[in-house]
Amino acid sequence: EAQVTQNPRYLITVTGKKLTVTCSQNMNHEYMSWYRQDPGLGLRQIYYSMNVEVTDKGDVPEGYKVSRKEKRNFPLILESPSPNQTSLYFCASSLRATFNQPQHFGDGTRLSIL
Amino acid sequence: GQQVMQIPQYQHVQEGEDFTTYCNSSTTLSNIQWYKQRPGGHPVFLIQLVKSGEVKKQKRLTFQFGEAKKNSSLHITATQTTDVGTYFCAYAGNNRKLIWGLGTSLAVNP
Repeated sequence: EAQVTQNPRYLITVTGKKLTVTCSQNMNHEYMSWYRQDPGLGLRQIYYSMNVEVTDKGDVPEGYKVSRKEKRNFPLILESPSPNQTSLYFCASSLRATFNQPQHFGDGTRLSIL
Repeated sequence: GQQVMQIPQYQHVQEGEDFTTYCNSSTTLSNIQWYKQRPGGHPVFLIQLVKSGEVKKQKRLTFQFGEAKKNSSLHITATQTTDVGTYFCAYAGNNRKLIWGLGTSLAVNP
């Protein structure tokens, strides 16, 4: 089944403890992206990747890192999480990075930083 | 910066009533996409519009792209409880990013 898989689905952790949210897609998609969703603020893009080894900042990249060493994986790294990074995170992918492609979303990761 | 205004922010209807959400931009859009997010779920792609004046239908859902390609609408005829969720529009910005509206949350009273 074609899908975008995120792990973990839920995580409660403490300030400063490094964490990684994994994202994997099995559709051979070129483009992958991370969003955070907060009430009243909609979907805000954190980072995106046009292809392997090509990443770029979105609208709210501060406090986050990403890497794209393989086409299927696009992990989101919080080196030193802070409470303002408590949010619902979505990974998304699309076939091509031409922006006329549907975005396929993972089920989301709810992070709580205490 | 680039942005798109989505209205209304919330809509509460009785089951069977119609519903419309609008997406408005000050600039001409190359395309527009619509997504639906059910409560507790993730955004799911519904449709993409590309041509000026384009109208597409999916069962009770009708999507329109304005003649000037600056606005779009999603109309649901005779809402059902399964239509509950948040509807987002998104378009391709000129900086290689998808620009998202803030969404319209639809509640349906049975």
